[in-house]
Amino acid sequence: EAGVAQSPRYKIIEKRQSVAFWCNPISGHATLYWYQQILGQGPKLLIQFQNNGVVDDSQLPKDRFSAERLKGVDSTLKIQPAKLEDSAVYLCASSLRPDAQETQYFGPGTRLLVL
Amino acid sequence: GDSVTQMEGPVTLSEEAFLTINCTYTATGYPSLFWYVQYPGEGLQLLLKATKADDKGSNKGFEATYRKETTSFHLEKGSVQVSDSAVYFCALSDKIIFGKGTRLHILP
Repeated sequence: EAGVAQSPRYKIIEKRQSVAFWCNPISGHATLYWYQQILGQGPKLLIQFQNNGVVDDSQLPKDRFSAERLKGVDSTLKIQPAKLEDSAVYLCASSLRPDAQETQYFGPGTRLLVL
Repeated sequence: GDSVTQMEGPVTLSEEAFLTINCTYTATGYPSLFWYVQYPGEGLQLLLKATKADDKGSNKGFEATYRKETTSFHLEKGSVQVSDSAVYFCALSDKIIFGKGTRLHILP
């Protein structure tokens, strides 16, 4: 079974530029998560989708971050414009259901450096 | 609000030593509790979980017991190996919250 796929793996941009990350979850997983992991910290949930609907985006900085999962499968996370403090690893995860006890399966992450 | 507190690392042990990584939480509801592990160069993966009080999760020789009375979910292993060197994250859900992670180094 293929795991969660993410691209690109690395990205370097200058501040005020835009960047987009892509995620393809495990086939059949209805729930998709985007996390931001700053160096030395644990992952912080940015947004959770159930199929193509948003379940929780309370920690998404909506003035610059946006995410979509239009067909309920793959998803894109965008930052526009980027700030220095956005340098982090962006993790995508998926689970079969949104239940609290469900295991999340993580992708390899996209490492973003904003200069 | 809900939160997770893990012991700070790095933790350095010799092979075959006993391991404890402390994790305590605050939550308003009845969350499930998880330990995730990140091996060098790899993505996060589930190590074990417990979904209700007094449940014990176990995997690969690691164990953790969901203690509601002490709001804890400490990770233990009786005899660590060099291959256990990784970063360990305690996490809880309903609100999905991860601890800061504890880096573990095992010396041969």
